[in-house]
Amino acid sequence: DAKTTQPPSMDCAEGRAANLPCNHSTISGNEYVYWYRQIHSQGPQYIIHGLKNNETNEMASLIITEDRKSSTLILPHATLRDTAVYYCIVFNTNAGKSTFGDGTTLTVKP
Amino acid sequence: EAQVTQNPRYLITVTGKKLTVTCSQNMNHEYMSWYRQDPGLGLRQIYYSMNVEVTDKGDVPEGYKVSRKEKRNFPLILESPSPNQTSLYFCASKPSGSNEKLFFGSGTQLSVL
Repeated sequence: DAKTTQPPSMDCAEGRAANLPCNHSTISGNEYVYWYRQIHSQGPQYIIHGLKNNETNEMASLIITEDRKSSTLILPHATLRDTAVYYCIVFNTNAGKSTFGDGTTLTVKP
Repeated sequence: EAQVTQNPRYLITVTGKKLTVTCSQNMNHEYMSWYRQDPGLGLRQIYYSMNVEVTDKGDVPEGYKVSRKEKRNFPLILESPSPNQTSLYFCASKPSGSNEKLFFGSGTQLSVL
């Protein structure tokens, strides 16, 4: 099963872009990369996901390297409410298994 | 409102006393999954179900049972809870198909004394 590795913590200035990296070097061809965030102990909140192309939605952008071994979540204009733990997940959506990293605690500072 | 509902939200029990944590979704999703989260760690998958009557082990299935007799419900059963099962538990669901997102419940904080 694919493993994910994330830095334990990052800081970002309010209004600046937050770039959160994730390494998933053992990802297989049919596994998607998902990003979720969790505030305190609430249920994880969906942000974005992709297979091999870069993706963008109203919350964020996802950049996946060509070899798919790593990805970066970009929050274009971080606000204080974006302070949370961000999880990179590799998900074999056809087989059902999912692997969470230990997450990156993002702190957005004024 | 589309949602995944877990009950109870908090549960304190004693070692060896069987318990069930319920999970129900109202979105007609085929896929459901249980996770546990320990302090400072990410979520670890316990069991998952691709559809009714189909269940599979995740990464940490020991000490847990599940059943999927109907599409909307996916209960997590601890036949003989132990203190090392004290954790925060999340249920999730998603539609079938590869390009769909997971919807999570609000969590169940379990303490086994």
